[in-house]
Amino acid sequence: DGGITQSPKYLFRKEGQNVTLSCEQNLNHDAMYWYRQDPGQGLRLIYYSQIVNDFQKGDIAEGYSVSREKKESFPLTVTSAQKNPTAFYLCASSKNYRGRGSYNEQFFGPGTRLTVL
Amino acid sequence: AQSVTQLGSHVSVSEGALVLLRCNYSSSVPPYLFWYVQYPNQGLQLLLKYTSAATLVKGINGFEAEFKKSETSFHLTKPSAHMSDAAEYFCAVSEGQGGSEKLVFGKGTKLTVNP
Repeated sequence: DGGITQSPKYLFRKEGQNVTLSCEQNLNHDAMYWYRQDPGQGLRLIYYSQIVNDFQKGDIAEGYSVSREKKESFPLTVTSAQKNPTAFYLCASSKNYRGRGSYNEQFFGPGTRLTVL
Repeated sequence: AQSVTQLGSHVSVSEGALVLLRCNYSSSVPPYLFWYVQYPNQGLQLLLKYTSAATLVKGINGFEAEFKKSETSFHLTKPSAHMSDAAEYFCAVSEGQGGSEKLVFGKGTKLTVNP
């Protein structure tokens, strides 16, 4: 079955440590996204990538880093510079349709809940 | 820039009653609009989408939404609520110009269904 996997489901980190969240997709999608979800705030975009070896900052990129070395993978690193990293992190992907009239439905993974101790 | 406003962070209905979740959007170009559902500790699942075809869009689980350009609204409805509909619902907008456009999400509406 095609889909998006995120691991681990739950992650605990001590203050001052970097941690990497995994996101893998086998949907052959070109674009991938990372969102952060906090209660009552909806989803906020951290980073996105439309093609391998290229990515752009979203609305809340500070304290995060990403890489896109393979089409299937888009790992997110939460660095020690992120002041309040405890949150639910969602990865998504979409086909990179182009041209007028096209749209790009995003498919989501199951999420990783990160807690800083 | 696009934006989405979901009126009511919490909505409570009785089982069998009408569900109405409100979404208003702001966009400088014709939008594409989406409703997603999220169950606790899970990812988002697409309920339905408006992509400039029919203004009344039918989705999964008996939900539908109507695009009203004059009101800049895309409210989600279901005639009869079921206990399994209890979840959080998110409205999202994209500019629809093609390419991997970003989605802008509303803050969500948590639906409670009472027996």
